[in-house]
Amino acid sequence: EADIYQTPRYLVIGTGKKITLECSQTMGHDKMYWYQQDPGMELHLIHYSYGVNSTEKGDLSSESTVSRIRTEHFPLTLESARPSHTSQYLCASSHPGHEANYGYTFGSGTRLTVV
Amino acid sequence: QKEVEQDPGPLSVPEGAIVSLNCTYSNSAFQYFMWYRQYSRKGPELLMYTYSSGNKEDGRFTAQVDKSSKYISLFIRDSQPSDSATYLCAMIPVSGSSNTGKLIFGQGTTLQVKP
Repeated sequence: EADIYQTPRYLVIGTGKKITLECSQTMGHDKMYWYQQDPGMELHLIHYSYGVNSTEKGDLSSESTVSRIRTEHFPLTLESARPSHTSQYLCASSHPGHEANYGYTFGSGTRLTVV
Repeated sequence: QKEVEQDPGPLSVPEGAIVSLNCTYSNSAFQYFMWYRQYSRKGPELLMYTYSSGNKEDGRFTAQVDKSSKYISLFIRDSQPSDSATYLCAMIPVSGSSNTGKLIFGQGTTLQVKP
């Protein structure tokens, strides 16, 4: 059982609302990631962090922001949600140097719908 | 051109069939290879990993790597309806003598095994 948790699992919200997607892991992993995935489509890396107070933008431009104040917590925030933000958001983590054997551990995702 | 190419499918096979899922890559720096399985509305989970050319077996699953052709495959024997999922290949490039720890994902192939 993966020790990485995302809440909420499903969220329907109106345009213009501020939302925060939560991601927590209990494995002590330094590296954490946020991916965006549309149904039947590939994963797109939108943010990553290599440790506390470290955050970087990923390959896909996103209007979201992230923070990493604690090792175990990597929330993603949308200041003003729009219908174009409708997607599945996946959080993942990894232990530096162990990716070749263990890859990334993913959460179950948050499916966001903006109406 | 994407660094990792994977036929998105969908692929539909009868129960008991042998399934072949494939990825090609262009960057010879990729030295570590993985296969993830993603069920609908779930996050990807690591299925197999390998870092050498040749075959690696795990039950009904066999991962094959051909570094000279830059081609990897996942074979599923005696496929079951429970194998119905999206399968993503992933690769890690090396830099110098160390792996970078950065997974590059294929687009994913959706597989349906019909009873």
